[in-house]
Amino acid sequence: SQQGEEDPQALSIQEGENATMNCSYKTSINNLQWYRQNSGRGLVHLILIRSNEREKHSGRLRVTLDTSKKSSSLLITASRAADTASYFCATDYGGYQKVTFGTGTKLQVIP
Amino acid sequence: SQTIHQWPATLVQPVGSPLSLECTVEGTSNPNLYWYRQAAGRGLQLLFYSVGIGQISSEVPQNLSASRPQDRQFILSSKKLLLSDSGFYLCAWTGQGGGSNEKLFFGSGTQLSVL
Repeated sequence: SQQGEEDPQALSIQEGENATMNCSYKTSINNLQWYRQNSGRGLVHLILIRSNEREKHSGRLRVTLDTSKKSSSLLITASRAADTASYFCATDYGGYQKVTFGTGTKLQVIP
Repeated sequence: SQTIHQWPATLVQPVGSPLSLECTVEGTSNPNLYWYRQAAGRGLQLLFYSVGIGQISSEVPQNLSASRPQDRQFILSSKKLLLSDSGFYLCAWTGQGGGSNEKLFFGSGTQLSVL
């Protein structure tokens, strides 16, 4: 079964709006990462947040982590059409070597 | 710089035929290596991971096997493909001892269709 689950499954917004997607996971983790996947391609790493961190920024991305609720959120500000992609969270599960992914959020940004 | 090669990009195989997908990494030593499968429009399922030569951890009982004959080579195999083996297969690596502590670098994937 999946360790992580993203919500919503799909999100459609207008260019310039902010996009927020959430990830919930089941067990304690060491780190949580977010990845992006363009259709039919490999995944690209966006940001890593450690279990002792609560918030992290990278350009237009903001990630929060709430270990008490076992959840994380990814905020993309001022979205662009080029942000259209699927976004996945990834966590370790049963040891930091084992990296498992959530179910993904499919984001569409309409120009 | 490090690169990851995965081939072929597309593969169409009949049910019952064998499979061999290869992934190689350049520019690094002792990487952690991973095989994932992605069904259409779905998330990634971890199939196998390896922290060293000959060390394979299998995550899901299935019709597939993996081998790591060399430090930077990871092979996914099947003796007899099933229809349910269809999907998008992705290879990935992290630095030695990395796992979730470091980002994964992904190959471009193999789209496997079993007919």
